[in-house]
Amino acid sequence: DSGVTQTPKHLITATGQRVTLRCSPRSGDLSVYWYQQSLDQGLQFLIQYYNGEERAKGNILERFSAQQFPDLHSELNLSSLELGDSALYFCASSALAGGNNEQFFGPGTRLTVL
Amino acid sequence: KNEVEQSPQNLTAQEGEFITINCSYSVGISALHWLQQHPGGGIVSLFMLSSGKKKHGRLIATINIQEKHSSLHITASHPRDSAVYICAVRQPGSARQLTFGSGTQLTVLP
Repeated sequence: DSGVTQTPKHLITATGQRVTLRCSPRSGDLSVYWYQQSLDQGLQFLIQYYNGEERAKGNILERFSAQQFPDLHSELNLSSLELGDSALYFCASSALAGGNNEQFFGPGTRLTVL
Repeated sequence: KNEVEQSPQNLTAQEGEFITINCSYSVGISALHWLQQHPGGGIVSLFMLSSGKKKHGRLIATINIQEKHSSLHITASHPRDSAVYICAVRQPGSARQLTFGSGTQLTVLP
């Protein structure tokens, strides 16, 4: 158990809908990362937050957004969903934002868009 | 060409065998990570390396910065080692982004 929690574990929804994925980092970790793992693209970095502020952005679509709240949990919002958004979404946390900090991964949320 | 290449893509071994998974990268890096993804999907961080060698139990990871190459070795392999092993690199100045290899599917047969 990494100490990172994600909810829900599974989500099935329809095209055009909007969903919110939630992540709680390990106790004491200030940095949260979101990753997408799809069959055709593999693992890709989406976005990072550190202590409530956006720190780095990767291959995140404009239809997707995220935020980190004062209690350090983070939410990833996916809107106008398309079939291609079906994937595993992982959250990871690390203690700090700078340097080469080890990341601890949550169990993932499996999103299926029908 | 992908910035991070892993080989082999698939590997089947008999229990007890010594296993090597390779990762080559084409960019300058500040750190390299080895991750293990279980059949259920969960990801565990195994190692983070910036130089030399690290060992944890039956797992050994090495990195050669000059040759831009890293290897993950598993000694005395066991069926519970069956998983996807993923190499990821962090480039200097790229914030905290990781670039991932496509993974190596390892199956260890009893």
